[in-house]
Amino acid sequence: AQKVTQAQTEISVVEKEDVTLDCVYETRDTTYYLFWYKQPPSGELVFLIRRNSFDEQNEISGRYSWNFQKSTSSFNFTITASQVVDSAVYFCALSDSTGANSKLTFGKGITLSVRP
Amino acid sequence: GAVVSQHPSRVICKSGTSVKIECRSLDFQATTMFWYRQFPKQSLMLMATSNEGSKATYEQGVEKDKFLINHASLTLSTLTVTSAHPEDSSFYICSARTRGNYGYTFGSGTRLTVV
Repeated sequence: AQKVTQAQTEISVVEKEDVTLDCVYETRDTTYYLFWYKQPPSGELVFLIRRNSFDEQNEISGRYSWNFQKSTSSFNFTITASQVVDSAVYFCALSDSTGANSKLTFGKGITLSVRP
Repeated sequence: GAVVSQHPSRVICKSGTSVKIECRSLDFQATTMFWYRQFPKQSLMLMATSNEGSKATYEQGVEKDKFLINHASLTLSTLTVTSAHPEDSSFYICSARTRGNYGYTFGSGTRLTVV
């Protein structure tokens, strides 16, 4: 069975601080996909990144960066120079690639509060 | 990019009535639709998976007679909450996938309040 663990539940930082959101996953599949989503107070899910299990290169997109390490089954997300607009709930998720019906398993989410 | 339009965004209904939530894929064929429920300060819980033209597959513990899912076309799926009760008040969100694409496109969600 697949499992995603986001051990941090709430994080509060002051604007301009860097913050790392942790994600640890479990799967027996050799091929799988990892995702990060942002959910602002309005509720919609904002897609941030998708990474397949064969691509361990770290990724940077503006102030966002992701560190994928298969050896530790982790896919951590770092926000550099955080801003108030980054305040939201962040979900890490995992799916296998066995077909169109493959389910997305979510972690419990991390509530990030960025204070001015 | 792929867009899923979900309506209504908010609905308040009386206990005992039924409510229908629609999700439409605007620019792609949604071969698979996933329906989630999210209670306040909790994660998204998958309720059911549906394929176009087939009966939905419900997760354990989800009452299929209470949460009716229809996926009659490649662009429309509906979730009907029948005989709604206050405990059904929640945020419902759909997610669509098309064959061969490993991404998931989410609707904007529906906040249901049953009074």
